[in-house]
Amino acid sequence: AQSVAQPEDQVNVAEGNPLTVKCTYSVSGNPYLFWYVQYPNRGLQFLLKYITGDNLVKGSYGFEAEFNKSQTSFHLKKPSALVSDSALYFCAVRASGTYKYIFGTGTRLKVLA
Amino acid sequence: NAGVTQTPKFQVLKTGQSMTLQCAQDMNHEYMSWYRQDPGMGLRLIHYSVGAGITDQGEVPNGYNVSRSTTEDFPLRLLSAAPSQTSVYFCVSLTTSGQETQYFGPGTRLLVL
Repeated sequence: AQSVAQPEDQVNVAEGNPLTVKCTYSVSGNPYLFWYVQYPNRGLQFLLKYITGDNLVKGSYGFEAEFNKSQTSFHLKKPSALVSDSALYFCAVRASGTYKYIFGTGTRLKVLA
Repeated sequence: NAGVTQTPKFQVLKTGQSMTLQCAQDMNHEYMSWYRQDPGMGLRLIHYSVGAGITDQGEVPNGYNVSRSTTEDFPLRLLSAAPSQTSVYFCVSLTTSGQETQYFGPGTRLLVL
């Protein structure tokens, strides 16, 4: 069965500092991995995805994520955090051959001015 | 394009009542799904559909029915509402060709008393 773990409920970081939001996954076969962001009272917005190829994936708003197959991780990163990055971030996975997406429980990112 | 639309935005039900949450998309996407979002639980997949006439169960299907008679519409029916179904419901669509990006509707906030 597919599963996603986001081990941190909340991550606090100072503006201008690098940020990392962690995600680990479990899936049969090759994983399809995604990051989404949710602002208050809104639906989720796509940030980036990994399907195949380069392990470092670049996405929207300066975010990137690193796929690590041996550690089954897909951590979200940004070199310099902005206060406007404060939001709820979700990692998701699906197995190849299915369009059944499984989401993590979300990590609240707070960027402090 | 209106994208993904959901109605109503907010609904209060009494235990035992039935209702239908409406979802429509105008992007000709094959895949549609319903998620519920609860604090600390993330997003959980209720039902999904890979095309008109085809539906399947997600992680938490009990108490919900769906149908997909057209590509555009994917209503979610609560047969006999229970307080445990108090949640925010998101309808999602994506195309399975090209860019694999899920488009989220604005959500329906449901309160069951």
